[in-house]
Amino acid sequence: GENVEQHPSTLSVQEGDSAVIKCTYSDSASNYFPWYKQELGKRPQLIIDIRSNVGEKKDQRIAVTLNKTAKHFSLHITETQPEDSAVYFCAASRRGGSQGNLIFGKGTKLSVKP
Amino acid sequence: DADVTQTPRNRITKTGKRIMLECSQTKGHDRMYWYRQDPGLGLRLIYYSFDVKDINKGEISDGYSVSRQAQAKFSLSLESAIPNQTALYFCATSDTDVETQYFGPGTRLLVL
Repeated sequence: GENVEQHPSTLSVQEGDSAVIKCTYSDSASNYFPWYKQELGKRPQLIIDIRSNVGEKKDQRIAVTLNKTAKHFSLHITETQPEDSAVYFCAASRRGGSQGNLIFGKGTKLSVKP
Repeated sequence: DADVTQTPRNRITKTGKRIMLECSQTKGHDRMYWYRQDPGLGLRLIYYSFDVKDINKGEISDGYSVSRQAQAKFSLSLESAIPNQTALYFCATSDTDVETQYFGPGTRLLVL
């Protein structure tokens, strides 16, 4: 089955710096890669996702890149702000049929220092 | 997201007790999931259901059972709770063939 590894487990940056979180996956058939943000005491919420037919996707200060050959994908946050402090989870799934369950990484706790 | 609700939000129980966690959704989604979150271990899938007649085990189903009473309701039961089932439990929903999952607010369970 699919296995998703996420690094680092904790990340501390100064406000205004960039943050990068990396994930690798094992199932070459996986084709959907979302990122969820979980603020303290809150539920995980989708912030961005990418499908295997594109290599990069941006949404304001966040972007995700995908390298299918190497089976890894990354979350990039630019101009970090204190409100970006949260736990971020990557996930992977194989779309369609009886598949489609998300396999999550273990999470990265991002701290943005003012 | 108020469209996915969980009850109770917090629960303390004793070893050996049977408890039920409930999830309801008004999003009209066919697919529902139960996850368990432990510090440093991420979100692990317990059970999932793609429609009312479909129930599937996830990666950590031992010690748990589920019931899909209707499209909008999916319950998780711990038949005989044990302390290592102390965790934060999330319900989630998704639409068929749309992978985005929407999470409920979570139930914090403590087994003494």
